Amino acid sequence: DSGVTQTPKHLITATGQRVTLRCSPRSGDLSVYWYQQSLDQGLQFLIQYYNGEERAKGNILERFSAQQFPDLHSELNLSSLELGDSALYFCASSPHTGELFFGEGSRLTVL
Amino acid sequence: DQQVKQNSPSLSVQEGRISILNCDYTNSMFDYFLWYKKYPAEGPTFLISISSIKDKNEDGRFTVFLNKSAKHLSLHIVPSQPGDSAVYFCAASALVIDDKIIFGKGTRLHILP
Repeated sequence: DSGVTQTPKHLITATGQRVTLRCSPRSGDLSVYWYQQSLDQGLQFLIQYYNGEERAKGNILERFSAQQFPDLHSELNLSSLELGDSALYFCASSPHTGELFFGEGSRLTVL
Repeated sequence: DQQVKQNSPSLSVQEGRISILNCDYTNSMFDYFLWYKKYPAEGPTFLISISSIKDKNEDGRFTVFLNKSAKHLSLHIVPSQPGDSAVYFCAASALVIDDKIIFGKGTRLHILP
């Protein structure tokens, strides 16, 4: 158990819909990262927050947004969903730069 | 543009032998490198890391080698055990720039009995 909690574990929705994925980092970790894992694509970096502020941005689509709240939990919002958004979405937290502790992921299926 | 490349999608190694997983990178600003291991239905877990000021780091059965001039790193597992069967991800970061950590696509390691 990494100490990082992601909800929901599984989500099935339709194209055009909007979903929110939630992440609770390990106690004391200020940094939260979001990654997308599609088939054969490895872990694609989406975005990183540190203590409530956006720190680094990767290949995150404009239809996606994220935020980190004062209690340090984070949410990833995915809107106008397309079939290609079906993937595993991982959240990770970090006490310092470098080592990431990953949650078990949220599997999103868009039908 | 894949900045971190793991060109072998899979690798099979006999139990007890050495497993060597390779990783290449293109961004010369990367100064910190990590290896993660992932079992099915679980998130990746940290294995070992190396800073660009070193060329080798060892932790038990796991050793990471870094060749900066070739922009290449490798993970050696000696001896390989059945529990090592998993997907291994190479990752890199340019700490002088930001905290972004870029992952490769992974190599699936099969340890054969």
